[in-house]
Amino acid sequence: KQEVTQIPAALSVPEGENLVLNCSFTDSAIYNLQWFRQDPGKGLTSLLLIQSSQREQTSGRLNASLDKSSGRSTLYIAASQPGDSATYLCAVTGNSGYALNFGKGTSLLVTP
Amino acid sequence: GAGVSQTPSNKVTEKGKYVELRCDPISGHTALYWYRQSLGQGPEFLIYFQGTGAADDSGLPNDRFFAVRPEGSVSTLKIQRTERGDSAVYLCASSPGLAGPNEQFFGPGTRLTVL
Repeated sequence: KQEVTQIPAALSVPEGENLVLNCSFTDSAIYNLQWFRQDPGKGLTSLLLIQSSQREQTSGRLNASLDKSSGRSTLYIAASQPGDSATYLCAVTGNSGYALNFGKGTSLLVTP
Repeated sequence: GAGVSQTPSNKVTEKGKYVELRCDPISGHTALYWYRQSLGQGPEFLIYFQGTGAADDSGLPNDRFFAVRPEGSVSTLKIQRTERGDSAVYLCASSPGLAGPNEQFFGPGTRLTVL
């Protein structure tokens, strides 16, 4: 059974810092990996999707990398802002390509 | 364009009652998913539809849970004889299908509280 772990569980940084969120998964036979953002009491917003054949994806200040063989992904956030405060969730789909397996998330607080 | 919508946003019910939760996917998306999220946890997969059929319902916790998608668009998650342990946020997602990256887009969720 695929298990997804996110470290750290919580993180507090001052505004302007660059930061890295980590995600690991136990079964490397994945179809894709998605990073999501969740604000309190809200649904999930898709940030980046990396297909299994890709190594990284970038969107604005966000960069996600994937090392499938070692079962790891990182989400890099550059020049963090208070508006980045949210929970960040990592999820993978198996080779079947549909059901997402989620980690528990990293709760990020960016202080002014 | 319009995203995934879910109704109601909140539902409070009493133990033993029946509830229905509705999901309207993004237009043209053939795949639809239901997940359940408990406090402090990541979402857990419940069921996946490809078109009108439930392609995988292995995540449904027991036979009190049932979902339909009769016309391949809107889906309803039905819970019979609700229990306090059913309290959670129920999330719906849709995706274009398995021909490409199959990025999933989520709705805002329905917060179910069983008293």
